[in-house]
Formats: sequence, structure tokens, C-alpha cells
Amino acid sequence: SQTIHQWPATLVQPVGSPLSLECTVEGTSNPNLYWYRQAAGRGLQLLFYSVGIGQISSEVPQNLSASRPQDRQFILSSKKLLLSDSGFYLCAWSVLRNEQFFGPGTRLTVL
Amino acid sequence: RKEVEQDPGPFNVPEGATVAFNCTYSNSASQSFFWYRQDCRKEPKLLMSVYSSGNEDGRFTAQLNRASQYISLLIRDSKLSDSATYLCVVSDGYSTLTFGKGTMLLVSP
Repeated sequence: SQTIHQWPATLVQPVGSPLSLECTVEGTSNPNLYWYRQAAGRGLQLLFYSVGIGQISSEVPQNLSASRPQDRQFILSSKKLLLSDSGFYLCAWSVLRNEQFFGPGTRLTVL
Repeated sequence: RKEVEQDPGPFNVPEGATVAFNCTYSNSASQSFFWYRQDCRKEPKLLMSVYSSGNEDGRFTAQLNRASQYISLLIRDSKLSDSATYLCVVSDGYSTLTFGKGTMLLVSP
């Protein structure tokens, strides 16, 4: 069966510090991968998605970036965090264009 | 702009009650539809897909009305464990989904 891992589970970072969140998927090949952010009291916002290694589509311009160095690895990064980057970051995978399955998420607080 | 609209609630119901949520979507070219459930401070989990003919999974029934562009979820015999936020989700048939902000359900003893 497929599983998706995210780490860390929680993170507290100062403004201006870098960020690296990692997501890995097991049990499937060539999945579509997604990064979402859910701010307090708000809906899920799609940040990036990838349909293959090295292929990244950005949905919202911001100070974040994503990379997919391996088929089942998706990384979200920032060089300098802003207060507005605080939120619940969720990685998800799907096969073809079907329903998506989410990882446990990383709760980021920027102080 | 693609949008999915939901009543944020909360819907407060007693155990055993029947409750229904509706959701409207703006993109008439939408292809696939889903309901997700999200518990507090947890990730969303797929509850059920919504088919044109309507579908049922135990106490949960989902229906789609393409002409009016709305989706519904009916929960019968509510349990305490049904308390959660229910997200309406729409796909344009490509690689991305559009999520509603969710409807909160609180089931009380």
C-alpha cells in the first residue's frame, strides 16, 4: 500500500531564516506530487505541483520554491521566511488525475 | 477564477440526527468531485468520490447536480466521531484540485 511521509511535524523558525520541508511517497511510481498551505481559518492553497522529476509548476508567486530531485521525493524551500509563511504545510500525491492523498503535514510557525 | 463555496457552519446536531451539506462550484467544465474530511489539526482524508449518478457509502450519501453546479453530502444517524470539517473538492480534469474552505460539523451527545 502507498504511504506518504512528511517531516518535521512541527517547526518554529525566526523571520529571515531558511526553510526545507521534505515529503516522500512509498508504494507508487511516478506520482503527481503537491504542496499545499493551510493558514489558520482558511482553505487549502495549492503552492506547487509536479508531474515528474524536475518538473515543477507554481500556482502562487511567493518566496517559496519546490524541487523534485527523485521520483518520490518533493521538497519545499525558502531562503528567507516571512511572518506570513506561517501555516500548515501539506504534501499530497495522486496517480493520473484522480483523488489526492495527504501526508500528516508540517505545522510551521514563523516568529 | 475557479471557486468552490461552502457554508462554514458550524452545524450543531445531536447524535442520531441527519445532516446535509451543500457546495457550489463555479467552473462548469469541472470533471471530478470529492468530499474530504479534516479533523482538527490533521490532514484532510478522502471521504468519498461523487459520481453523476450519486453514490452511497454506509451512512454517507453524495449527490451531484451538474446543471445547477452543486454537490451535496448527507450524513444519516450522526455519530460523535463524525465531528469534523467537511471539504468539498472539485477537479478540472487536469492535475489540480480546488478545495472549498469546509463546513464544520459538531455532533453532541
